[in-house]
Amino acid sequence: VLTQSPGTLSLSPGESAALSCRASQSLSHSFLAWYQQRPGQAPRLLIYGTSTRATGIPDRFSGSGSGTDFTLTISRLEPEDFAVYYCQQYGNSPAVTFGGGTNVEIK
Amino acid sequence: QVQLVQSGTEVKKPGSSVKVSCTDFGGTFSSYAFNWVRQAPGQGVEWMGRISPFLGVTTYAAKFQGRVSLTADKATTTVYMELSGLRSDDTAVYFCARGTTVITALAHWGQGTLVTVSS
Repeated sequence: VLTQSPGTLSLSPGESAALSCRASQSLSHSFLAWYQQRPGQAPRLLIYGTSTRATGIPDRFSGSGSGTDFTLTISRLEPEDFAVYYCQQYGNSPAVTFGGGTNVEIK
Repeated sequence: QVQLVQSGTEVKKPGSSVKVSCTDFGGTFSSYAFNWVRQAPGQGVEWMGRISPFLGVTTYAAKFQGRVSLTADKATTTVYMELSGLRSDDTAVYFCARGTTVITALAHWGQGTLVTVSS
């Protein structure tokens, strides 16, 4: 089980965001990903392997963590960054799990 | 350019089945595992299962075991998700998604297919 916190984060453009993803058991760092979803769109891969940015993802997005605790940091929030973010584990078992999501909203 | 193109909106009666397709344009079809993810209105995303066309292997989330079937047609580079015994809480947008030859996370997504279950 992946637990994301907080459920909602209210911030202003230019501020930084730290999103948490906690696993119920230790994960291989190679198989933790983060996705961004804007309203009406499919999720978009931001980070895989805990800290590797996907193609075309700006460097204000960074991922870190190990074991059971992982973090997505967004520095200097841009207007297009206000969206829902999901973490995902895809290697601890044959199954795949998503967290419940964090909504980053404009304050 | 990679494109996953899904079939269109479906409206189904409770107890019936739905089959959603996802055609892969621009990739090496058999190199990937295709995943299916759904999202109920106003809710988070939920993984349903995946299929590896090359290996012919399917893996299903426990919640959907026995009710979902994933198949693949290599000739048309299309994967299918069939969900049976539909209930009103199966109303959702269903997405197909896959990785790349070097990334197993879901780098490419279809546009989503809305399935509405209503009497």
